[in-house]
Amino acid sequence: EVQLVESGGGLVQPGRSLRLSCSVSGFNFDDYAMHWVRQVPGKGLEWVSGITWNSGTIDYADSVKGRFTVSRDTAKNSLYLQMNSLRAEDTALYYCAKDMRVMWELLLPVFDVWGQGTMVTVSS
Amino acid sequence: QSALTQPASVSGSLGQSITISCTGTSSDLGTYNYVSWYQQHPGKAPKLMIYDVSNRPSGVSNRFSGSKSGHTASLTISGLQAEDEADYYCSSYASRFSVFGGGTRLTVL
Repeated sequence: EVQLVESGGGLVQPGRSLRLSCSVSGFNFDDYAMHWVRQVPGKGLEWVSGITWNSGTIDYADSVKGRFTVSRDTAKNSLYLQMNSLRAEDTALYYCAKDMRVMWELLLPVFDVWGQGTMVTVSS
Repeated sequence: QSALTQPASVSGSLGQSITISCTGTSSDLGTYNYVSWYQQHPGKAPKLMIYDVSNRPSGVSNRFSGSKSGHTASLTISGLQAEDEADYYCSSYASRFSVFGGGTRLTVL
């Protein structure tokens, strides 16, 4: 069974850092781009960041560029999101999502598997 | 990175058909045929329903169909069922990144 499990969320003060993890199983992690998508409770979806299968293409939403860093560890079958200089507006449920296509070089919005999300709350 | 524009809500009766629109610009769905649609039930993760404008992933009912004309993509659900009641989001490639619509709440009457 294909599964994505996020962890690392929690309550953090503005300006501080947090690292999210997404552990994957049930598919060949090496072959697929991965993404982070967030959702403020009761609001819409926002794409945050993506990384291609070979880490050749990495990109970020303008709202997080320069503060967040995405990475992947094939040995651990894990995706990460390092979040620095957190702001109140970063408060959201953060989903890890798998790209549908195998070994594509573009970060396309085709997310065929999603985790259940990990909640990040930025507040003093 | 402007969000795509969707109606906040649509409704339809059981068995009827509805269409949800998603309007973008020449920077996103007006140029690229990489439009996806997601269904999200309360408290659940989104589910991919349509990709590349009109393709259905395996397991998605053929009652769901997608299309695009110019800067507007559309999701049509035919033969509405109670379980179709959910939020629906469109998404498009926008040169380097993805952009979502604001979401449409579908109510099945």
